[in-house]
Amino acid sequence: QKEVEQNSGPLSVPEGAIASLNCTYSDRGSQSFFWYRQYSGKSPELIMSIYSNGDKEDGRFTAQLNKASQYVSLLIRDSQPSDSATYLCAVNYMGTSYDKVIFGPGTSLSVIP
Amino acid sequence: SAVISQKPSRDICQRGTSLTIQCQVDSQVTMMFWYRQQPGQSLTLIATANQGSEATYESGFVIDKFPISRPNLTFSTLTVSNMSPEDSSIYLCSVGEGRNQPQHFGDGTRLSIL
Repeated sequence: QKEVEQNSGPLSVPEGAIASLNCTYSDRGSQSFFWYRQYSGKSPELIMSIYSNGDKEDGRFTAQLNKASQYVSLLIRDSQPSDSATYLCAVNYMGTSYDKVIFGPGTSLSVIP
Repeated sequence: SAVISQKPSRDICQRGTSLTIQCQVDSQVTMMFWYRQQPGQSLTLIATANQGSEATYESGFVIDKFPISRPNLTFSTLTVSNMSPEDSSIYLCSVGEGRNQPQHFGDGTRLSIL
């Protein structure tokens, strides 16, 4: 059973702080990892993809991957109230003829002005 | 990324009826996926839809309840059959950029069963 787990939240941070979101996965063979943001009443929106160990930065967002520890994280610097949303960690599993993405339960983030 | 249009955006249906949800993509894609998101929950994959072959269903989902069509490389439908209040969810279609690449989602269909 392939699983993806996230820190349960909800997570509250003050405006301007760093929000840290964590994710662990069960299958060592996974090669690609994604973070989605989902605003209430909206569909998930891709914000980061990461494939290699280490850090990947995109604006205020940094994804970190450690395949040995089966751990992925997302850091949001200078958090803004507009970052308040649910963040979904997603792990891609490559099958024989198609891929399957497993989503974690999500972490709700609230940025307090 | 591809533009994905999903219809209807929401519906309220009577118990025992069926509803077909349409997903249209503005470019040809190999793989399309259907997910369910129950209230307050994460996304659960219902099935993967390949053009020209039967959809592949995940554990807990069956073709009689969730028949899927994939007549071409830009279109798919999901039918929710013989609906009960437990089927009240958001149904989402997505497309993949390719192997090992992320998926992108349509706006979803918010379905309520009375």
